Amino acid sequence: GQSLEQPSEVTAVEGAIVQINCTYQTSGFYGLSWYQQHDGGAPTFLSYNALDGLEETGRFSSFLSRSDSYGYLLLQELQMKDSASYFCAIRGNQGGKLIFGQGTELSVKP
Amino acid sequence: GAGVSQTPSNKVTEKGKYVELRCDPISGHTALYWYRQSLGQGPEFLIYFQGTGAADDSGLPNDRFFAVRPEGSVSTLKIQRTERGDSAVYLCASSSLPEETQYFGPGTRLLVL
Repeated sequence: GQSLEQPSEVTAVEGAIVQINCTYQTSGFYGLSWYQQHDGGAPTFLSYNALDGLEETGRFSSFLSRSDSYGYLLLQELQMKDSASYFCAIRGNQGGKLIFGQGTELSVKP
Repeated sequence: GAGVSQTPSNKVTEKGKYVELRCDPISGHTALYWYRQSLGQGPEFLIYFQGTGAADDSGLPNDRFFAVRPEGSVSTLKIQRTERGDSAVYLCASSSLPEETQYFGPGTRLLVL
C-alpha cells in the first residue's frame, strides 16, 4: 500500500522560516507534490519534486530524498496569509491519481 | 484562463436520495479526477478519466457511486441512495496529461441529512 505521514499542526511567527516534513511508504513512486489549502478553499499546487534535491519557487522550496522516503516543504519570510493546511501527495505507479497525507495545519502568529 | 469549476457549490439532500455533482475541467485538459475530502483529512482519490474512459475507478467506495465523462470534457459524479456517511467535500481536478500537475476546483460540499 501507500501512505504518507506529516505533522498535524505547526505554529510559527510572522517573518520566520518553517519546515513541514513528509515521510512516505509506497511500492511505486513518480514524485512528491505539495498543495496548500485555505479553509473552505481548493487545494492549490505549490511544488513538485520528481528527482532528489531542492526545488525553489519564490518563498517556497521543496526537498526530496528518495533513499530516505522523505521530503519537506520550506516556507520562508512567513506571512499571515500563509496560515493554511499543507498536504504532501505522491503519485504512484498506477496512472495519475494522487495519494495525500493527512495535512499539516500551519498557524502563523504576529 | 478559467480554472476548474464545480456545481453546485453546496448540496443538501436527504438520506436515500440521488445526487449529481458536475465538474468543468480546464479547457484542453485530457485527464480528470474526482476526490472526496472529509473534515480534517486529505483528499481521497475516487476515480480518474483519461479522455472519455475511466482509467482507474479503484477509489469508488461502492456501487452507489458512478461517474461519467461522455464527451471527454465535463464530468458528472452520481451518487445513488445517499447515506449520511457520504457527507463530505467532493473535489474535481484536471491535468493536461496524467503525469502533469493537477489543478483543483473549489469543490461541492455535500450534506446528507
